[in-house]
Amino acid sequence: DTEVTQTPKHLVMGMTNKKSLKCEQHMGHRAMYWYKQKAKKPPELMFVYSYEKLSINESVPSRFSPECPNSSLLNLHLHALQPEDSALYLCASSLQTSSSTDTQYFGPGTRLTVL
Amino acid sequence: KQEVTQIPAALSVPEGENLVLNCSFTDSAIYNLQWFRQDPGKGLTSLLLIQSSQREQTSGRLNASLDKSSGRSTLYIAASQPGDSATYLCAVGDSSYKLIFGSGTRLLVRP
Repeated sequence: DTEVTQTPKHLVMGMTNKKSLKCEQHMGHRAMYWYKQKAKKPPELMFVYSYEKLSINESVPSRFSPECPNSSLLNLHLHALQPEDSALYLCASSLQTSSSTDTQYFGPGTRLTVL
Repeated sequence: KQEVTQIPAALSVPEGENLVLNCSFTDSAIYNLQWFRQDPGKGLTSLLLIQSSQREQTSGRLNASLDKSSGRSTLYIAASQPGDSATYLCAVGDSSYKLIFGSGTRLLVRP
């Protein structure tokens, strides 16, 4: 099983809402990532978790709050977002973060629209 | 700061042609380079990963090369098919194993 799943596929929320994105993998990977991708732009790294600990935060605003409850699951909690946060949010995983041989496997993404 | 550039931004070819996509990077101190494919509105599919010590990798009709000293990689697609139409992204893995992406090449293979 080389699949990373993400739910929901689409999400529309108001600026006062609280919502969460979910990502799951069962490949035994110990590194998990959140990326943000705006239309016609490349993905931009937001967070990296390694062995369930946050290892990289790319200066992401606090209205985005990541959580890694266990080695298979990664959440992104959203609160008080702005319309410019509308984007495709991609989750990825790799065997670990500290190897040049590890491919990152991406999920299909959650298309987020903030009204 | 590492910068990754992909040329051309868009490419349209007839079916059956062999084609080359280009990727360049400014800092040669990379750990690996990956090529991905992305269909519209979808996630990324990994195509090939080249470690910094390698020169090329092959998978089916795809061949990727890496020249660290010149800061370049190419993705060669043989006998292109309409199903190859997608955006192709290259990404460089840096010393912290973060991926830095190029802006991609949008490929259209015409039947």
